Formats: sequence, C-alpha cells, structure tokens
Amino acid sequence: SSELTQDPAVSVALGQTVRITCQGDSLRSYSANWYQQKPRQAPLLVIYHTSNRPSGIPDRFSGSSSGNTASLTITGAQAEDEADYYCNSRDSSGDYVFGTGTKVTVL
Amino acid sequence: QVQLVQSGVEVKRPGASAKVSCKASGYTFTNFAITWVRQAPGQGLEWMGWISVFTGDTKYGQKIQGRATMTTDTSTRTAYLELRSLRSDDTAIYFCARENNNGWYFDLWGQGTLVTVSS
Repeated sequence: SSELTQDPAVSVALGQTVRITCQGDSLRSYSANWYQQKPRQAPLLVIYHTSNRPSGIPDRFSGSSSGNTASLTITGAQAEDEADYYCNSRDSSGDYVFGTGTKVTVL
Repeated sequence: QVQLVQSGVEVKRPGASAKVSCKASGYTFTNFAITWVRQAPGQGLEWMGWISVFTGDTKYGQKIQGRATMTTDTSTRTAYLELRSLRSDDTAIYFCARENNNGWYFDLWGQGTLVTVSS
C-alpha cells in the first residue's frame, strides 16, 4: 500500500502563517484531504479534495497541491489551531491511507 | 442531529474477540459507506477498511485482513467492527467515520471506542 509522509512537528507564532506538507506517490493521481485532531477528540475534516473547506471551517485554512505533495496552510494561526493534523488519500488498489501526522504548536 | 455514536470501552484478553458498534442518526444510513480507523496510544491514524452500507461490499486493509469483519444492520442503523485473535498491539481507540459519496474523505466521525488488550 502507499505511504504519505508528513513532518512530525512544526511551530508557528500566534497570528502568523504555517504550511504543513504531505508527500506521497499516490498524490500524483489522487487528491488529499486534511483532518485536525485535538487531544482526546475524534478527527475533524478541515479540507477535502485538495482545497475545499467544509461548512463551518474558518477560511484561514486552505489547501493546495503540486506533483506528489499536498499542503495545508493556516493563515493567521490562532491558539485553538494547536492540534495534530493528518492528510489522507487513496491508492490505485482502492486502499485508503493516512499521513504520519504533524503536531502544530502555536507559540 | 447528524451523528455517529459508538459503544463503550472494552477490555479483552489476548486471543479474544472484540465487537465495536457505531450507531448512525440524522441522515440516510444506506446512502453512505462507513470506514473504520484506529489509533494506538500516542500514534497516528490507521485506516482499517470500509463497508458499503447499501451493498454490504467490504474492503479491508492489509494489516487486519483475515482478522476483522465489518457488518451493518440497516434496521437499527448500526455498523459493527469485529476483531478476532486480539493481540496487545491491537490496543487502540477505534473510530467509525462516514465516507462522503464524492470520494475518500470522512466528514462525520464517531467519538471513538477504546479497546484494551491485556493479560
């Protein structure tokens, strides 16, 4: 099955911009989705199919993709954005896969 | 209210089986697939497989292939995950999630069920 690789941790100053990346060969063919997970909570979908925001997700969350890399950008990070973030996609066999996860710390 | 509500904590011995339930409400149950995801303590998310509620078709991840069975009961709007021959590394929080019809993303999640495997 395919793999999706993320940086383990990033930090961002309050109000600044942070970009989280997700790399994998399957991203050349299939779009990425992004989830936010806070401690002791279920994941929450924040971006689907590369760049679409579900209803209720603040517009400071945006997504993009190029080649084998998908990105989630938080513009003007807030304290409540501190969480783990996971990408997910699928491969050609129909298996789904999650990225390794990125812990975002807001300073 | 649109939600998925899962069953409670389970503690099992190695070699036993566990069955987690996921009850849907607030939407047409048969219109969406259900995916199961697990998260070992301090670890990331692992996709386990999905079931089409409408057809009953299933697809399992390689890691749990042969030990897991996903089913649904449309009369009670409930999805089930059974995991057999439990090992200590099956200790995890198990989540059910609704798969959106537009493709491989999960727009509604259950609260999670902790399954602990310990002798």
